[in-house]
Amino acid sequence: GAGVSQSPSNKVTEKGKDVELRCDPISGHTALYWYRQSLGQGLEFLIYFQGNSAPDKSGLPSDRFSAERTGGSVSTLTIQRTQQEDSAVYLCASSLGGEPGRGYTFGSGTRLTVV
Amino acid sequence: AQSVAQPEDQVNVAEGNPLTVKCTYSVSGNPYLFWYVQYPNRGLQFLLKYITGDNLVKGSYGFEAEFNKSQTSFHLKKPSALVSDSALYFCAGNSGGYQKVTFGTGTKLQVIP
Repeated sequence: GAGVSQSPSNKVTEKGKDVELRCDPISGHTALYWYRQSLGQGLEFLIYFQGNSAPDKSGLPSDRFSAERTGGSVSTLTIQRTQQEDSAVYLCASSLGGEPGRGYTFGSGTRLTVV
Repeated sequence: AQSVAQPEDQVNVAEGNPLTVKCTYSVSGNPYLFWYVQYPNRGLQFLLKYITGDNLVKGSYGFEAEFNKSQTSFHLKKPSALVSDSALYFCAGNSGGYQKVTFGTGTKLQVIP
């Protein structure tokens, strides 16, 4: 597609429920990132996929968080047993990766609210 | 480990005045540096990048950034601020290749009419 697509754009869930957030990167982009942005705060790195390499999961805040990237394209971020502190905007970005200085293209994000 | 620092949480500037948003970096090797902007209720947009070459990089919306190796800085600048420039600005960097990009904590720019 022309840009990075994220769905849903908004998600309200009850505490303790599981949620899945989806990211469709730009076709051909080998690098895919997930970030979290709490209200008015900076970007918190979550996870990074690059081609067929093992993902960099160093930013995942707990074992309730996991992510997959199937076929080197679409990625799903799963949060199990959601907590109120998980409320944030989850941003996905993709890039061609491997090219020096290649910037990201960000999606519009999924606003997650845990009630 | 690489890091990017934005020492100011907020910068206020009067419309028409020059603006500077500060960024310093700690990246091994030759750095690749970026600025992104986030307007209210919008996604992040790429503004400009430094890879190599001229230390002064020009980007979108009249913004530019100056790479200073000795001071490990990459400050964002604009000669004349507009109210519409009010947004959240993020500096980011890596050492190129497959290295993940690290973002600063963001600086809120408020341009006062």
